[in-house]
Amino acid sequence: KAGVTQTPRYLIKTRGQQVTLSCSPISGHRSVSWYQQTPGQGLQFLFEYFSETQRNKGNFPGRFSGRQFSNSRSEMNVSTLELGDSALYLCASSALTGKSTEAFFGQGTRLTVV
Amino acid sequence: GESVGLHLPTLSVQEGDNSIINCAYSNSASDYFIWYKQESGKGPQFIIDIRSNMDKRQGQRVTVLLNKTVKHLSLQIAATQPGDSAVYFCAELNTGFQKLVFGTGTRLLVSP
Repeated sequence: KAGVTQTPRYLIKTRGQQVTLSCSPISGHRSVSWYQQTPGQGLQFLFEYFSETQRNKGNFPGRFSGRQFSNSRSEMNVSTLELGDSALYLCASSALTGKSTEAFFGQGTRLTVV
Repeated sequence: GESVGLHLPTLSVQEGDNSIINCAYSNSASDYFIWYKQESGKGPQFIIDIRSNMDKRQGQRVTVLLNKTVKHLSLQIAATQPGDSAVYFCAELNTGFQKLVFGTGTRLLVSP
């Protein structure tokens, strides 16, 4: 069974640009969450999608957005990039069967803003 | 690797020792408490979880203890191996929100 796939693995962007990151969850998983990981702030929740609906959003500015498609694949977008957006962006998928809390993480996309 | 910060607390142990990693949590309303392991260049990997109405749960070589009185969580790793070297995060989960709240992490270094 394939794991969570995030693309691209690495990305370099210039301040002011926008970026789109992609996440393919494990087959059958309908919940996809996004997290930002930085040395200073650690792992912080961005948002969670379930059946194409955003159910929860973390404390990030409106420049951070996302969506989920009918096949559960998800994208997140960051507009007007700032240097502080440089981070590892992680996607996690969950089955939410009620029997397990296990969230499966991808390897992440390392975004560098210059 | 890109996964961890530069100023994490570090626990150094010898191979074969038992390791105890501690975590303080903040939200008494969390339903589950979970431990994740993150190796360099990888995303966090689920180790074990414990429901809020339990105080101990055992897995393979790992035990999680939950003390709700002092809001403390610990992960015990028996017979630590070099492959256990990684950063370990505790996380809280409120299933109503499906949002993991992570702790700051502890780096475990295992010497052969």
